Amino acid sequence: KQEVTQIPAALSVPEGENLVLNCSFTDSAIYNLQWFRQDPGKGLTSLLLIQSSQREQTSGRLNASLDKSSGRSTLYIAASQPGDSATYLCAVTTTNFGNEKLTFGTGTRLTIIP
Amino acid sequence: EAGVVQSPRYKIIEKKQPVAFWCNPISGHNTLYWYLQNLGQGPELLIRYENEEAVDDSQLPKDRFSAERLKGVDSTLKIQPAELGDSAVYLCASSLDTLRTQYFGPGTRLLVL
Repeated sequence: KQEVTQIPAALSVPEGENLVLNCSFTDSAIYNLQWFRQDPGKGLTSLLLIQSSQREQTSGRLNASLDKSSGRSTLYIAASQPGDSATYLCAVTTTNFGNEKLTFGTGTRLTIIP
Repeated sequence: EAGVVQSPRYKIIEKKQPVAFWCNPISGHNTLYWYLQNLGQGPELLIRYENEEAVDDSQLPKDRFSAERLKGVDSTLKIQPAELGDSAVYLCASSLDTLRTQYFGPGTRLLVL
């Protein structure tokens, strides 16, 4: 059974700092990995999707890396802003006889201090 | 382009009462998902539809939960009867097809008293 762990559970950093969020997964046979953002009381927004054959993806100030063999991914946020405050969730997709399953981590609650 | 629409946004009911949630996916998205999210946890899949067919309902507690997507567009998730432990956020998501990026609705926050 795939298990996804995110460390730390919560993180507070001053505005302007660069930061890294970590995600690890137990089964390396994944199809892809996604990073989502969730604001309080709202649904999830997909930030980056990395296919299993890729090593990283970039979007603006966000960079996500994937090391499938070690079961790890990181989300790097450059020059953090108060608007980046949210919960960040990592999710991996595995497939089993045509059935896809998206397994989420418990998230990292990020607070950017102005 | 309109996103995934869910209603109601909030629902408070007493235990043993029935409740229903509605979801309208993004136009053209064939795949629809219902997730359950408990406080401080990531979403967990309840059921996945490909058009009108439920292709994965292995995590749906079928003794009290049911879902339908009759015309392959919007969907309804029902709980009958509701229990205290059902208090959670119910999220709906859609995608063009399996393995594509999923787009989530704002969720329905259920409180069972």
